[in-house]
Amino acid sequence: DAGVIQSPRHEVTEMGQEVTLRCKPISGHNSLFWYRQTMMRGLELLIYFNNNVPIDDSGMPEDRFSAKMPNASFSTLKIQPSEPRDSAVYFCASSLWGMETQYFGPGTRLLVL
Amino acid sequence: GQQLNQSPQSMFIQEGEDVSMNCTSSSIFNTWLWYKQDPGEGPVLLIALYKAGELTSNGRLTAQFGITRKDSFLNISASIPSDVGIYFCAGSESGAGSYQLTFGKGTKLSVIP
Repeated sequence: DAGVIQSPRHEVTEMGQEVTLRCKPISGHNSLFWYRQTMMRGLELLIYFNNNVPIDDSGMPEDRFSAKMPNASFSTLKIQPSEPRDSAVYFCASSLWGMETQYFGPGTRLLVL
Repeated sequence: GQQLNQSPQSMFIQEGEDVSMNCTSSSIFNTWLWYKQDPGEGPVLLIALYKAGELTSNGRLTAQFGITRKDSFLNISASIPSDVGIYFCAGSESGAGSYQLTFGKGTKLSVIP
């Protein structure tokens, strides 16, 4: 079975550019989570969706960050404009609602120059 | 919000030795999870614990849900080189109607052949 799929795996961009990260959750999972991982702060939850509806976006750092889930099999995390401090690994995870066990994708390594 | 303290931060051990790591929280959790992250990859679920006092094994790995519901332990027996990686604990207060996970900062394990 395919796990959580994320693209791109690596992204290098210049400050001020728009960045879009993509995620395909495990088929049948109805909850989707976006995390950011840095050495300093560890894994931070940015936002999560249940049945394509955003439930809690309190972890989204600024208005520059936005996330959408137009359907059950696709989500995007957009940063516009990007800044060097956004450099991190961004993970998407999915689960069945009501189950705490989340399954992570391989991550997108973002470097903003 | 919840705080998770994971220790030790890093460990250097000889191949064949047993390993122990733990997490403590400032609040009661209903679920404890343990993940392992290999370099360049996303966290992979190792063990899930749902009940206070529960002891669960997965091969050479054993994890326990503390009876106070504020701590959890992970033991690895007879370590091998492929055990190298970062181990994360995660907890959930799912009784609050949310299935968000709070993550520890990780224990980096190095195994000396």
